[in-house]
Amino acid sequence: EVQLLASGGGLVQPGGSLRLSCAASGFTFSSYAMHWVRQAPGRGLEYVSGISGNGGNTYYADSVKARFTISRDNSKNTLYLQMGSLRAEDMAVYYCARSTRPTTGGFFEWWGQGALVTVSS
Amino acid sequence: QSVLTQPPSVSGAPGQRVTISCTGSSSNIGAGYDVHWYQQLPGTAPKVLIYGNTNRPSGVPDRFSGSKSGTSASLAITGLQAEDEADYYCQSYDSSLSALYVFGTGTKVTVL
Repeated sequence: EVQLLASGGGLVQPGGSLRLSCAASGFTFSSYAMHWVRQAPGRGLEYVSGISGNGGNTYYADSVKARFTISRDNSKNTLYLQMGSLRAEDMAVYYCARSTRPTTGGFFEWWGQGALVTVSS
Repeated sequence: QSVLTQPPSVSGAPGQRVTISCTGSSSNIGAGYDVHWYQQLPGTAPKVLIYGNTNRPSGVPDRFSGSKSGTSASLAITGLQAEDEADYYCQSYDSSLSALYVFGTGTKVTVL
């Protein structure tokens, strides 16, 4: 059974940093692109970032480019999102999601339970 | 901001049919990229409802159906049930965006 377990959320001050992790199991991790999608309180889904199965290609929304870095460790079956220069508008539940393909395209077939990031002083 | 536009809300009585539109442009839906639909029940992660414009994953009732034409797509729910009350999002691929992937603005379905 595919499982995605996000962790690392919490309270951080504006301008601070936080690293989210997503532990994957139940499938060959390196065979699939992985993504982060966020949802601010009371708002819709927003695509944040994605990474190909071999880690060679990354994608970022303009709203997080140069502040967030996505990475993966295929030996540990874990996806990461390093978030820096955090702003109030970054406050959201962050979901990790597995694609149906190793690179671009496909859809988000499996979702983690989400990690809440709160940005506040 | 999202480049896929959905109505904020739709409603219907049990047993009725409702449709949700997803309007894009020539760089996403109109370019031939697939549209996928997700259902998000309150307090839970999204779940894929329709993929590749018209396909239902195993376990999704056939009351849900998808279609696509030109720069738009639609999700139809026939025989509306109380458990269908949720938020629904379309999603596609957009070659004009650095992120490549885009979600719709979301639609709240209310069962009267």
